Amino acid sequence: DQQVKQNSPSLSVQEGRISILNCDYTNSMFDYFLWYKKYPAEGPTFLISISSIKDKNEDGRFTVFLNKSAKHLSLHIVPSQPGDSAVYFCAAQDLYSGAGSYQLTFGKGTKLSVIP
Amino acid sequence: DGGITQSPKYLFRKEGQNVTLSCEQNLNHDAMYWYRQDPGQGLRLIYYSQIVNDFQKGDIAEGYSVSREKKESFPLTVTSAQKNPTAFYLCATSPLGGANYGYTFGSGTRLTVV
Repeated sequence: DQQVKQNSPSLSVQEGRISILNCDYTNSMFDYFLWYKKYPAEGPTFLISISSIKDKNEDGRFTVFLNKSAKHLSLHIVPSQPGDSAVYFCAAQDLYSGAGSYQLTFGKGTKLSVIP
Repeated sequence: DGGITQSPKYLFRKEGQNVTLSCEQNLNHDAMYWYRQDPGQGLRLIYYSQIVNDFQKGDIAEGYSVSREKKESFPLTVTSAQKNPTAFYLCATSPLGGANYGYTFGSGTRLTVV
């Protein structure tokens, strides 16, 4: 059973416009959420995170929104740039459940293409 | 300069052979993880270790083995029992305790069975 879902395998956006990547989760024990960016043949790199006590976190062009009641988070990239073209993984963590609680549960990823 | 080193970057294996992927870290992180990435499958956890000489199976451990003899190293052996070993393998580390900072990933090893 997939606990973290990214239902859009791919997304294409024009350069300069907003990119919105969505992520849904089912485990109500998750209390920390992260977004990773991955280029082909490289390891994922950390992008931005949000704790469940917040509903928004912003870092430059990247903003993550969390809606706990809907078990939904989204990553907004404004303005989108061609260098943002990559696969984006949503990940969730349950920090306080004992052994194994530091594990991240990943979604399957969304491939973002920013068209010049 | 702290980081994670995965080697080799590309690896070719004949069917029926075992092969070992290396992962070394100098971040002083307690936990280490092995993931496999296949197209359309995202990242799937193979094994993880939170302390030296202890490790746990992840979601797809069959056909793989690991060891954690020292904190800095967490090698993964892909055995001949793994039916479909061609994939991109990622090693990751994380600290334990206090505020969490997610994972740091290595640059990956591409394994191809020929």
